[in-house]
Amino acid sequence: DAKTTQPPSMDCAEGRAANLPCNHSTISGNEYVYWYRQIHSQGPQYIIHGLKNNETNEMASLIITEDRKSSTLILPHATLRDTAVYYCIVRVARGGSTLGRLYFGRGTQLTVWP
Amino acid sequence: GAGVSQSPSNKVTEKGKDVELRCDPISGHTALYWYRQSLGQGLEFLIYFQGNSAPDKSGLPSDRFSAERTGGSVSTLTIQRTQQEDSAVYLCASSLAVGNTEAFFGQGTRLTVV
Repeated sequence: DAKTTQPPSMDCAEGRAANLPCNHSTISGNEYVYWYRQIHSQGPQYIIHGLKNNETNEMASLIITEDRKSSTLILPHATLRDTAVYYCIVRVARGGSTLGRLYFGRGTQLTVWP
Repeated sequence: GAGVSQSPSNKVTEKGKDVELRCDPISGHTALYWYRQSLGQGLEFLIYFQGNSAPDKSGLPSDRFSAERTGGSVSTLTIQRTQQEDSAVYLCASSLAVGNTEAFFGQGTRLTVV
């Protein structure tokens, strides 16, 4: 199974960009990288996902290195409400399918301060 | 419904009793996941259902744990002879089965075994 490594915690000033790194050096060719976040006492919330190209949506940008062994989630203008645990996940494919369980690591606790 | 619904939201049970946790996925979602999260920990995969395929049960911690999904919709997670270490938040998620789409999580069931 491809697994992920993230720093346990990071801080960011409100209004600044938060750059959250993730290593996934054993990722397979058909495994996507997903990012979720979990605000205290809530279920995880989807943010973004990608395979090999950089992706952007209304919440964040995802930068994946060319060798796909690492990625960075960018919150361009962090707010206090972005304080949460951020999980970098690879989707573990089964039997050649691209579907399968999501493997959650320990995540990064992002704290945005005023 | 509009989202993944789990019931009950909270459950307190005595050690040795059996409990059933229910998950109503988003209508039309054929993939369903169960995770659990102990206090201060990351998400631990339990089981994954995909359509009519055999479920991926590789995450179930013991034979006291079982799950069913009837009619491809509602799922029930059963824990027999509960132990104190079973205390955790049990999270359910569902997703479409086409392509690599995001999973939507419910708010979880907080199980406390006393």
